[in-house]
Amino acid sequence: NAGVTQTPKFQVLKTGQSMTLQCAQDMNHNSMYWYRQDPGMGLRLIYYSASEGTTDKGEVPNGYNVSRLNKREFSLRLESAAPSQTSVYFCASTTASYQPQHFGDGTRLSIL
Amino acid sequence: GENVEQHPSTLSVQEGDSAVIKCTYSDSASNYFPWYKQELGKGPQLIIDIRSNVGEKKDQRIAVTLNKTAKHFSLHITETQPEDSAVYFCAASNFGNEKLTFGTGTRLTIIP
Repeated sequence: NAGVTQTPKFQVLKTGQSMTLQCAQDMNHNSMYWYRQDPGMGLRLIYYSASEGTTDKGEVPNGYNVSRLNKREFSLRLESAAPSQTSVYFCASTTASYQPQHFGDGTRLSIL
Repeated sequence: GENVEQHPSTLSVQEGDSAVIKCTYSDSASNYFPWYKQELGKGPQLIIDIRSNVGEKKDQRIAVTLNKTAKHFSLHITETQPEDSAVYFCAASNFGNEKLTFGTGTRLTIIP
């Protein structure tokens, strides 16, 4: 039982390149989330999906797009990467309100 | 929107002593308050949570207290051990809104 799996674990991009971060969960959860973690700023929500077929903006959505491909998978795309998007990105999932969010181990993304 | 402040940002305690981390929130509608522990290179993991209809919750050496009037909640770790060293995050949300707002984190170091 893998939980939440994120790929890749590390990536270095040049400014202007595009990239898709992948996330998959095997817990049959309805809701999935993308966060970014920056030093001193905690975890900030980028986008979330409350159910298959729906997505909504979080606190910091600019420069990102998402796709909820099916119930298991939720991807995050950077169309034109900028140095300000250098961060650690976490995917999480949960079954409902009041239930724990389960996190992946993150993707460490550097943009030069 | 919700704003969660967390203090202190760093905390060092002697092994065996107690550690206390405090958070305040701004939205009086918030009614779910989880705490997450993040070890180096890993995603956050839920360690304890509390709902607004409860003032205190314990799980072995860990406890959380909630003061709804003052809009603050605290994490208490007793008899600290080296494996308690990690970054701890508080968070808040309200029922029906599965989005969590996180504090900025506390780096706890247990001194042997």
